[in-house]
Amino acid sequence: AQSVTQLGSHVSVSEGALVLLRCNYSSSVPPYLFWYVQYPNQGLQLLLKYTTGATLVKGINGFEAEFKKSETSFHLTKPSAHMSDAAEYFCAVSCVTEYGNKLVFGAGTILRVKS
Amino acid sequence: EAQVTQNPRYLITVTGKKLTVTCSQNMNHEYMSWYRQDPGLGLRQIYYSMNVEVTDKGDVPEGYKVSRKEKRNFPLILESPSPNQTSLYFCASSPGLRTDTQYFGPGTRLTVL
Repeated sequence: AQSVTQLGSHVSVSEGALVLLRCNYSSSVPPYLFWYVQYPNQGLQLLLKYTTGATLVKGINGFEAEFKKSETSFHLTKPSAHMSDAAEYFCAVSCVTEYGNKLVFGAGTILRVKS
Repeated sequence: EAQVTQNPRYLITVTGKKLTVTCSQNMNHEYMSWYRQDPGLGLRQIYYSMNVEVTDKGDVPEGYKVSRKEKRNFPLILESPSPNQTSLYFCASSPGLRTDTQYFGPGTRLTVL
């Protein structure tokens, strides 16, 4: 069964510093991986996804993630944090079910950006 | 505007009083799903539906029911709510393939007293 582990429930960085949010997955089939962001009092929106092809994936708002099969990781990075990046971030893996697909989410990482 | 809508956004109710949370999407998506979000647990799937009249249990289906009579609507029904169903609920839809992005509604915060 697929699963996702996000290391660190809370991450705090200074404005302008590197953002690194860690995600490791477990999957018995080639994984399709997603990062979603949830701003306060809002639903989730897609940041980026990896399906096939290039292992370095670029998303919105300057975020990117690299799929590393050997490490079963899909860490999210941004070179320079902005105050507006403060949110909760979820890593997810897409699983195949009898009737289609579903997302299995990690527990989430709350990013705090200090001025 | 392409969107997933949920109603109500906030609901406080009492144990045992049946309630329905509606979900509607205007993107003609085949696939719809319900999740609940709890602190430290991320989002967990409750039920999903691949198409009209096709539904199946997710990871935490106990105490919930769903129906899919129309493609655009996927209501979540709590026949006899209990305090452990106090949570933040999200509806999502996608075209249906494993690689597809899921589009989420704004959430419904439910409190069961």
